[in-house]
Amino acid sequence: EAQVTQNPRYLITVTGKKLTVTCSQNMNHEYMSWYRQDPGLGLRQIYYSMNVEVTDKGDVPEGYKVSRKEKRNFPLILESPSPNQTSLYFCASSPGTGGHEQFFGPGTRLTVL
Amino acid sequence: DQQVKQNSPSLSVQEGRISILNCDYTNSMFDYFLWYKKYPAEGPTFLISISSIKDKNEDGRFTVFLNKSAKHLSLHIVPSQPGDSAVYFCALTDSWGKLQFGAGTQVVVTP
Repeated sequence: EAQVTQNPRYLITVTGKKLTVTCSQNMNHEYMSWYRQDPGLGLRQIYYSMNVEVTDKGDVPEGYKVSRKEKRNFPLILESPSPNQTSLYFCASSPGTGGHEQFFGPGTRLTVL
Repeated sequence: DQQVKQNSPSLSVQEGRISILNCDYTNSMFDYFLWYKKYPAEGPTFLISISSIKDKNEDGRFTVFLNKSAKHLSLHIVPSQPGDSAVYFCALTDSWGKLQFGAGTQVVVTP
């Protein structure tokens, strides 16, 4: 089944404790992206990647890191999480940019205490 | 500063009638305009898109209209069905992968 998977789905952590949210897609898509969803703000793009070893900042990259060493994986790293990073995170992939639809993962609910 | 605005946080419509969702934007750099639908506890799913060179695109019950001069995008759903109850996001993107979403409109379709 074609899908985007994220792990973990739920995570409660404490300020400053490094964490990684994994994202994997099995559709051989070139493009991958991370978003956070907050009430009243919709989804905001954190980082995106057009291809392996190519990443770019979205609108809210501060406090996050990403890497794209393989086509299928695009992990999101929070080196020192803070409470303002409490949010719902979505990973997405797409065969290309522009008008191509993005396929979203199920989301990761992160709480930073 | 939100560059993509969906000014109606919610919309209630009767089953069988038309739902009209609106989206306004400020930045003309985007080439493609998309609508996504989201159910609770799921990721968004793609509905329909339109490129900046067109002013209308139809797919079944869904039609997207683009007015570039007014920087306005709208989605029409006809006829509305109970399964259409969800949050709808408009999204603007360019050819380089940058993408911006609106805050969303909660649609409730009543029997």
